[in-house]
This record gives sequence, C-alpha cells and structure tokens, in this order.
Amino acid sequence: DAGVTQSPTHLIKTRGQQVTLRCSPKSGHDTVSWYQQALGQGPQFIFQYYEEEERQRGNFPDRFSGHQFPNYSSELNVNALLLGDSALYLCASSPQTLNYGYTFGSGTRLTVV
Amino acid sequence: GESVGLHLPTLSVQEGDNSIINCAYSNSASDYFIWYKQESGKGPQFIIDIRSNMDKRQGQRVTVLLNKTVKHLSLQIAATQPGDSAVYFCAETMNTGFQKLVFGTGTRLLVSP
Repeated sequence: DAGVTQSPTHLIKTRGQQVTLRCSPKSGHDTVSWYQQALGQGPQFIFQYYEEEERQRGNFPDRFSGHQFPNYSSELNVNALLLGDSALYLCASSPQTLNYGYTFGSGTRLTVV
Repeated sequence: GESVGLHLPTLSVQEGDNSIINCAYSNSASDYFIWYKQESGKGPQFIIDIRSNMDKRQGQRVTVLLNKTVKHLSLQIAATQPGDSAVYFCAETMNTGFQKLVFGTGTRLLVSP
C-alpha cells in the first residue's frame, strides 16, 4: 500500500516564477494538508483541503494557493517566488477530518535562485 | 511563526543509553500530541501519540510523558540505537474539526556506536 507520494522530489526555480507541487494521499485518506519546512526548523502549516475545499489556512500570503481533485490528490501553487520560499514542502494526508493517522510524504525540495 | 527553531538543540548519546528528548508546547487548549522522527531527506515519521486525558503512554522502546500543568512533553527512547539518529519533533493539535499540527523546535539526536 503506497503512502503519500509527492512530486517532483527536487525543483529549482528563479525568483518571480510560479511553481506547482503535487501530492497523492495514502489510500483511504481524503484530507490533505501542506506544510513548509525551512532548513533547521519544524514544519509550518500552510493549508488543509477536504472535499475539494480549503478548510483551514495558516499564516501564508495569497501567493500560496492550492487545489484538491475528486480523487483526493492535491496541488500546491506558489506564485511570484521569493528567495525565502526555498524550503522542503511536505504533504500530509489523513482519514476524514481526524488528526490522528496523519501520514507525511517525503516532500519536495524547492530552491529559489 | 508558530514553529520557532533557528537553533536546533542536539542530544548526543552512546548506543545502548536511554535518551530523553523534551518539548514545551504552546497552546493550553491542545488535547492531542504527537512525536515525529525525521531523517535527512525524508518527511516526518509517526513515533507515538498521547491524548490530554493521559499522562503517560508506552510503545516499543519509546515512552511519552505529558505534563499539562507546565505544558511539557518528553520522549524517552530506551536502549538507543544508531538507527535512532534523526531530528525529533513534537507536535500539538486539537483533535476536533479541521485542525493543524503545530510543531515544536526539534531536537537532533546523535547516537554513537
């Protein structure tokens, strides 16, 4: 049974560009959350999707947006990239709205130059 | 941000020792706590969890202690092994509705053979 799958694993972008990161949740999970992890820090919550709607959002600007598809997979989009957006972006899935059962993917390492 | 951790504390132990990793959480309303292990280049991996109606929970070689009075969590690892070397994070949340995980600072555990 596959866990949470994220793509791509690594990405290099230039300031001002836009990026799309993808996540496939663990089988049986329908809720997807995204986290940003800067080097040497703990993950910070970006937003959470359930039933194709954003249900909860952290302290991130509108440049960060997302989408959830009918098959529960999700995308994270970041516009007008800044150097400070360089981080590991983690996707986590869970069943329904329950917080236990969170499973994290291995992340996408985004470098903005 | 909610997760502060510019300087990652490090705990160095010898193989076979018992390790204790501490964490202070921020929200007195949090009622569910999780310890994660994160190895280099990977996403956080669930170790053990505890609800606020408990003060101790044991797993295989791991024990989590919760002190709600001082908002403190600890993770005890018995007979630490080199494979336990990683960064350990505690996370807090409220186990109702659409909630987010708030991660602590993180502690790097280094186990010497």
